[in-house]
Amino acid sequence: SQQGEEDPQALSIQEGENATMNCSYKTSINNLQWYRQNSGRGLVHLILIRSNEREKHSGRLRVTLDTSKKSSSLLITASRAADTASYFCATDWTYNTDKLIFGTGTRLQVFP
Amino acid sequence: DGGITQSPKYLFRKEGQNVTLSCEQNLNHDAMYWYRQDPGQGLRLIYYSQIVNDFQKGDIAEGYSVSREKKESFPLTVTSAQKNPTAFYLCASSARLASNNEQFFGPGTRLTVL
Repeated sequence: SQQGEEDPQALSIQEGENATMNCSYKTSINNLQWYRQNSGRGLVHLILIRSNEREKHSGRLRVTLDTSKKSSSLLITASRAADTASYFCATDWTYNTDKLIFGTGTRLQVFP
Repeated sequence: DGGITQSPKYLFRKEGQNVTLSCEQNLNHDAMYWYRQDPGQGLRLIYYSQIVNDFQKGDIAEGYSVSREKKESFPLTVTSAQKNPTAFYLCASSARLASNNEQFFGPGTRLTVL
């Protein structure tokens, strides 16, 4: 089964609002990554957070990681219509760092 | 212009036919991956390779085959043994086979079995 599950499955907001997406996973990890996918396109890497980090920022993105709850959140501040996309978390396993396991994704729609 | 390319963008196949999807990268990456994505789903790993002439099965390898004869190329063959091949196929590469490496994705190939 997939390691990561994103919540919510879909999110609709107005431009300027903040968007928060959550990812829960099942086993201990070393790294967690967030990716973005525009409709019908490949994925683009957004940010990586390691298991010993609690928070990371990149531009308008803020990622948190709570290893005790096995969860991560991605916050997009001051959203824009161009942020409309699907967002996926991807994790490894502590005992297998060769590959990533992707969640089911959150579809974000930002209305102008 | 560095990147990862996939061809064709759209592919139609009749049942019972094998078909090969192309993936090329000029990023000098060691590791390459093939994923399958179904509507509303995440990505599932089909095969991955960390070096030329070496590859490993992912989570859903049945009905698929790959080769890695050159560092820059990792073609995927969808065989007639794959029961439900209609899907969006994504190829990716990373500098090393390690989960702390960012993966770079191609634009994808949408395969439809008629």
